[in-house]
Amino acid sequence: DSGVTQTPKHLITATGQRVTLRCSPRSGDLSVYWYQQSLDQGLQFLIQYYNGEERAKGNILERFSAQQFPDLHSELNLSSLELGDSALYFCASSQTLHHEQYFGPGTRLTVT
Amino acid sequence: KNEVEQSPQNLTAQEGEFITINCSYSVGISALHWLQQHPGGGIVSLFMLSSGKKKHGRLIATINIQEKHSSLHITASHPRDSAVYICAVSTPNYGGSQGNLIFGKGTKLSVKP
Repeated sequence: DSGVTQTPKHLITATGQRVTLRCSPRSGDLSVYWYQQSLDQGLQFLIQYYNGEERAKGNILERFSAQQFPDLHSELNLSSLELGDSALYFCASSQTLHHEQYFGPGTRLTVT
Repeated sequence: KNEVEQSPQNLTAQEGEFITINCSYSVGISALHWLQQHPGGGIVSLFMLSSGKKKHGRLIATINIQEKHSSLHITASHPRDSAVYICAVSTPNYGGSQGNLIFGKGTKLSVKP
């Protein structure tokens, strides 16, 4: 158990819908990262937050957004869902920007 | 060309064999990570290294910064080592911040009893 929690574990929804994925980092970790793992693209970095502020953006679609709250938990919002958004979404956390990342168990999103 | 390349893509070994997985990268990095992903999907960080060599149990990771190459070795392999092993790099210039990872495509290891 990495200490990073993600909810829900599984999510099945229809095209066009909006979902919110939640991540709670390890106690004391200030940085949160979101990653997407799809069968064709592999693991890709989406976005990073550090102590409530967005620090870097990767291959994140405009339909996706995220935020980190004062209690350091983070949410990833996915809207106007398409079939191609079906993937495993991982959250990871680290103590600072330069420390090892610890991964949550992931949320498996299926868009039908 | 991918910025992080792993070889082999697939590897089948007999229990007890010594295993090596290789990773080459083409960008400047602040650190290199080895991750393990089990069939259930969960990802575990095995090593984070920026120079030299690290050992944890039967696992050894090495990195050669000049050659932009890293290896993950598993000694006395066991069926429970069966998983996908992923090499990833933190690059200081990616997105303007350190810590974000660029991933290789992974090596699927199967260890037979």
